[in-house]
Amino acid sequence: EDQVTQSPEALRLQEGESSSLNCSYTVSGLRGLFWYRQDPGKGPEFLFTLYSAGEEKEKERLKATLTKKESFLHITAPKPEDSATYLCAVRSGSDYKLSFGAGTTVTVRA
Amino acid sequence: DARVTQTPRHKVTEMGQEVTMRCQPILGHNTVFWYRQTMMQGLELLAYFRNRAPLDDSGMPKDRFSAEMPDATLATLKIQPSEPRDSAVYFCATSDSRTGELFFGEGSRLTVL
Repeated sequence: EDQVTQSPEALRLQEGESSSLNCSYTVSGLRGLFWYRQDPGKGPEFLFTLYSAGEEKEKERLKATLTKKESFLHITAPKPEDSATYLCAVRSGSDYKLSFGAGTTVTVRA
Repeated sequence: DARVTQTPRHKVTEMGQEVTMRCQPILGHNTVFWYRQTMMQGLELLAYFRNRAPLDDSGMPKDRFSAEMPDATLATLKIQPSEPRDSAVYFCATSDSRTGELFFGEGSRLTVL
């Protein structure tokens, strides 16, 4: 069974203070690692998909990287509007479903 | 603006009552998922369909939950009878299965008293 572990559970940052979120995974045949952002009272919003070790993707202040065992979401010079819960998920084998981690809640103070 | 539409957004009901949640997938998406989110368990997959056929419902309590997709524009999740432990946010998500990216609705927040 796929396992996804995210750390830390919560992260409090000062505006402009860069940091990284971790997503460790155990799957049989990774077919994609996904990052989502979720705001309170909303559904998860798609950010990135990574398919192979060494791959990187960027969007504004966010950059996602992937190794064979984990993925990192780097937040560079965060702003208060980056405050949200960030979810990591994996797709494996011949399956279509995504298995999600518990998420990291990021709070950025002005 | 293509999006997944879920109704109702909020539902408060009493234990033992039937609850039906509905989802309209993004046009052209052939895979539909039902997830449940709670503080304790996070996002759990309940069931999913591809081309309207159920592929996996192993995450769903079979005695009280049922999921159907009567046509390509409607997916339903029914709970009968509902129990307080069913209180959660239920999300529908859809994908076109080529990219694997799931697009989520805004969720149906269910409270069972």
